[in-house]
Amino acid sequence: DTAVSQTPKYLVTQMGNDKSIKCEQNLGHDTMYWYKQDSKKFLKIMFSYNNKELIINETVPNRFSPKSPDKAHLNLHINSLELGDSAVYFCASSPAYLDRREGALHFGNGTRLTVT
Amino acid sequence: EDQVTQSPEALRLQEGESSSLNCSYTVSGLRGLFWYRQDPGKGPEFLFTLYSAGEEKEKERLKATLTKKESFLHITAPKPEDSATYLCAVQGYSSASKIIFGSGTRLSIRP
Repeated sequence: DTAVSQTPKYLVTQMGNDKSIKCEQNLGHDTMYWYKQDSKKFLKIMFSYNNKELIINETVPNRFSPKSPDKAHLNLHINSLELGDSAVYFCASSPAYLDRREGALHFGNGTRLTVT
Repeated sequence: EDQVTQSPEALRLQEGESSSLNCSYTVSGLRGLFWYRQDPGKGPEFLFTLYSAGEEKEKERLKATLTKKESFLHITAPKPEDSATYLCAVQGYSSASKIIFGSGTRLSIRP
């Protein structure tokens, strides 16, 4: 009965490879996000989707491409991985968009990406 | 640009020793201020939303308060299970659905 689930939990790969992280939520939320947490625990937003439509696209390299096949899924594909991409990536969903309830995010447990 | 600064970076308390965590923010029109708890290896867990100055919210040993410039998370008679990183986040009216997080306060409670 997991609310927001991400796979895989750990991802170790070499520089230059392409990898994907999958996220699914069963809460019926319309809005989903990808956040990156660096080694100093700082959470930074990368992308936001509302009902499969891209709403926020922060200044991230275009090697990162989100895809939302339906409003319950938001995947993250990363091309040509670099050492600096090593971090924990969190998927989250929200019960509303541009609504006061939006900040009550539900997070997955993260994917720890290590690029060697 | 919206900003969130949390202090202290880390706080160690004895069980039962009450204290407060600080979250200072700058935002052009506050839509909401949010507190989260994050345990090691887990995603952040939502605790509270505060919307306007003077508002307070409580949950067990935690109480969050809000002024026009900062928010405090007061922890009363903490227990070891309250040990976690506490994150503050804000959302402004001008930033669409962008929710900006602070870097957190790592709280440790010694038995």
